[in-house]
Amino acid sequence: DIVMTQSPDSLAVSLGERATINCKSSQSVLYSSSNKNYLAWYQQKPGQPPKLLIYWASTRESGVPARFSGSGSGTDFTLTISSLQAEDVAVYYCQQYFSSPLTFGGGTKVEIK
Amino acid sequence: EVQLVESGGGLVQPGGSLRLSCAASGFTFSSYWMSWVRQAPGKGLEWVANIKQDGSEKYYVDSLEGRFTISRDNAKNSLYLQMNSLRAEDTAVYYCARDGTPFLFGGRFDYWGQGTLVTVSS
Repeated sequence: DIVMTQSPDSLAVSLGERATINCKSSQSVLYSSSNKNYLAWYQQKPGQPPKLLIYWASTRESGVPARFSGSGSGTDFTLTISSLQAEDVAVYYCQQYFSSPLTFGGGTKVEIK
Repeated sequence: EVQLVESGGGLVQPGGSLRLSCAASGFTFSSYWMSWVRQAPGKGLEWVANIKQDGSEKYYVDSLEGRFTISRDNAKNSLYLQMNSLRAEDTAVYYCARDGTPFLFGGRFDYWGQGTLVTVSS
């Protein structure tokens, strides 16, 4: 199984500042023939289901604000919120879909400083 | 509008059974892989099982040890999860989730239901 490890577990960022979340996979999730990273990011607000933000490591889902961006390749990935807004307070999860079982990171809680 | 509505959760004793349902609408259900994902109280997300468009392929997380069965009825636009021999550690909100790629297997989840809570306790 591919283990997904996120860091930090939580972070507090001032409004308008940058938030950076890291995700590391125990093996590469880059499919060489397509040159695509099978990595997604989700946002989960309290009492709500997760919402897909990013897939293929860097493709923003339709309707997701441009302040959310994903980067990385192979085993190391980053979700960046360029200018934190109050509505971005949530837990963020990475997920690999390179192989079964599909696995998620442990989550990173983002709060306002 | 895509909608996924789970039902069937509740309180069950250890060793008991429960069948969850997910009613889908707003899209061509038979064109998508579907999954169940669970979240224990205060914990992270765990993928449980998925099923191919025609039901011919099913995959499960290893830790279930054969206790759960995923199925679907495309005529009724419904997804199911039969859960047997339930344990306290199965206590969680169970989400129905749609695969993000029609006709193929994508593995990411673009729509989620609101979830149904399963509590296993005596």
